[in-house]
Amino acid sequence: AQKVTQAQTEISVVEKEDVTLDCVYETRDTTYYLFWYKQPPSGELVFLIRRNSFDEQNEISGRYSWNFQKSTSSFNFTITASQVVDSAVYFCAEGGATNKLIFGTGTLLAVQP
Amino acid sequence: EAGVAQSPRYKIIEKRQSVAFWCNPISGHATLYWYQQILGQGPKLLIQFQNNGVVDDSQLPKDRFSAERLKGVDSTLKIQPAKLEDSAVYLCASSLDRLSYNEQFFGPGTRLTVL
Repeated sequence: AQKVTQAQTEISVVEKEDVTLDCVYETRDTTYYLFWYKQPPSGELVFLIRRNSFDEQNEISGRYSWNFQKSTSSFNFTITASQVVDSAVYFCAEGGATNKLIFGTGTLLAVQP
Repeated sequence: EAGVAQSPRYKIIEKRQSVAFWCNPISGHATLYWYQQILGQGPKLLIQFQNNGVVDDSQLPKDRFSAERLKGVDSTLKIQPAKLEDSAVYLCASSLDRLSYNEQFFGPGTRLTVL
């Protein structure tokens, strides 16, 4: 069965600290996609990144970086030098062939000034 | 490019009443999704349309929930009759098609409170 686990319910950091959000997934699909979405207080889900199961290269985009390790079924997300505007709920999700996304329960990140 | 539009943004009803939500996807997007997000949880897919046909409604409580996308564009989601446990945010999303490498774009959601 498909399942996404985000064990960290809430994380609080002080501005400029680095923070890593963990994501562990389970799937029976041989081809699948992994996603991270950000949900600010306004409520709208904002797409951050998509990776397919054949591409284990880490990716960096500005202050954001992602570490995909198929051997441990993990797709972790790191924010470097966090800012107050990064405060939001972050969701990891997994999708199979038909784009049906299975979301984790989310991690609430609070960045204090 | 206009995003996914949803209305109303907020709705408060009493249990056993009916309610309907509307969604207008991004122009040209063939696939439309309705998700239910209960407080403190991640979104859960209720129904997925490809054009005006249903692709997946396996998690839709069909005894009380219904959805349609008659012309392959706008969609409505209806609950009749509502229960207390239906209190949630209902998110609509769209994508170019239903292949997994296509990003899903989400609307702002409708927050439903059932009293």
